[in-house]
Amino acid sequence: ETGVTQTPRHLVMGMTNKKSLKCEQHLGHNAMYWYKQSAKKPLELMFVYNFKEQTENNSVPSRFSPECPNSSHLFLHLHTLQPEDSALYLCASSQERGASGSRHEQFFGPGTRLTVL
Amino acid sequence: GESVGLHLPTLSVQEGDNSIINCAYSNSASDYFIWYKQESGKGPQFIIDIRSNMDKRQGQRVTVLLNKTVKHLSLQIAATQPGDSAVYFCAEGSGGSNYKLTFGKGTLLTVNP
Repeated sequence: ETGVTQTPRHLVMGMTNKKSLKCEQHLGHNAMYWYKQSAKKPLELMFVYNFKEQTENNSVPSRFSPECPNSSHLFLHLHTLQPEDSALYLCASSQERGASGSRHEQFFGPGTRLTVL
Repeated sequence: GESVGLHLPTLSVQEGDNSIINCAYSNSASDYFIWYKQESGKGPQFIIDIRSNMDKRQGQRVTVLLNKTVKHLSLQIAATQPGDSAVYFCAEGSGGSNYKLTFGKGTLLTVNP
């Protein structure tokens, strides 16, 4: 266990559905991330939150909407998705100290396997 | 643009042999590098990291080597075991207050008994 949990682990949805992915970290970290992992592609960074503030939106379509109510929880709200959005969605957290020589290890959750029909 | 990539997409070794997984990076400003292991159905798991002011770091059965001259990173696994079978990713990090990791595609390591 990495201290980062994600629910649900698997999700099948139609293109007109609205669903949400949830991530919770129990590590006291101040930064949280959403990544998309598709077959045969590198991990794609989607969103970054530092101290609950969004600091990165990596040109993600508006059908993906993140929410970070506090530094321990992160949501990804999904609506009107496309079949090409089917992928493994990974949440991660890290403790960013902002000092030179800091470690920037990100701890990942198990992911949500999303299938869009 | 800057990128992180892997020389070999797949690697098959015999149990007990040593494994070497390679990674090339192109961002000379990267100051931190990590190797992750991802088993089927799981998220990436931290293996070992190294800062740019080092050229070698050892862990339990793993060693990471960093060659900044040719922008090359490698992961060595000693006495490879069946439980080491997984996809291995390298990642490079850079940035100040908005630090980011950039991941490579991954190498699939298969350990044959």
